[in-house]
Amino acid sequence: EVQLVESGGGLAPPGGSRRLTCAASGFTFGPYWMSWVRQAPGKGLEWVANINEDASEKYYVDSAKGRFTLSRDNVKNLLYLHMNSLRAEDTAVYYCAKGRTPIYAWGQGTLVTVS
Amino acid sequence: QTVVTQEPSFSVSPGGTVTLTCGLSSGSVSTTYYPSWYQQTPGQAPRTLIYNTSIPSSGIPDRFSGSILGNKAALTITGAQADDESDYYCVLYLGSGISVFGTGTRVTVL
Repeated sequence: EVQLVESGGGLAPPGGSRRLTCAASGFTFGPYWMSWVRQAPGKGLEWVANINEDASEKYYVDSAKGRFTLSRDNVKNLLYLHMNSLRAEDTAVYYCAKGRTPIYAWGQGTLVTVS
Repeated sequence: QTVVTQEPSFSVSPGGTVTLTCGLSSGSVSTTYYPSWYQQTPGQAPRTLIYNTSIPSSGIPDRFSGSILGNKAALTITGAQADDESDYYCVLYLGSGISVFGTGTRVTVL
C-alpha cells in the first residue's frame, strides 16, 4: 500500500523558514515525479511544486519561486520542501503527492501556520 | 494568468446524474491537457478519481466517468450516492512542468 507521511509543519513567523519532509513507502520511489500541493484554510487546492525522478527538473508556482526549494533522496525515499521567507498567505495544509499529472496518491497533509 | 474554471456548486438527488465541467479562462480543454479529477471531503486528503481525461483510478466506482464535452473536461456521476457529497477539483497540465487546479465544485446530494 502506498503511504506518504508528511512532517515538519507547525508555526513559523513571517520571514521565517520551515522544512517539510515526506516519507514515502509501499512503492518504488525513484522512478516517480513527486509534488507538493497546498490548501489554505477554507480554500481550494493549489499546486505548489514538483520534481522529476532524478531532481534534474523542478517547477514551482510563481508565488513560491525564489523562496521554496524542492529536493529528494531516492535512497531514503524522502521528499523535502524547504520554505524560506514565509508569508501569511503560505499558511496552509501541505500535501505530499505521488506523481505530477496525474497525482496517483496523496499524504494526509501537514499544517504550516505563518503568524 | 490562466484560470481553470469550475461550477461553484451543484445539487443532485440520490440516484441522479450530475456532470461537472472544467474549463479554461481562455481557450478550449482537450486531451492534451491531461485532465484529472479529485474528490475531497471536508477534513480529509483528496482522492484521485480520474486521470488522462477518462481513466479511472484504482478502486474508483464506475459511477464516476470522465470525458471531453465541447471545449471542457467533464466529470459525470451517474447514480449519485450520499457519500458522493464532496468537493471536486480538476487539474489541467499547461506544459513546462506547470499544473493548475480548478476552482472546485461542491456537490450536495439531497
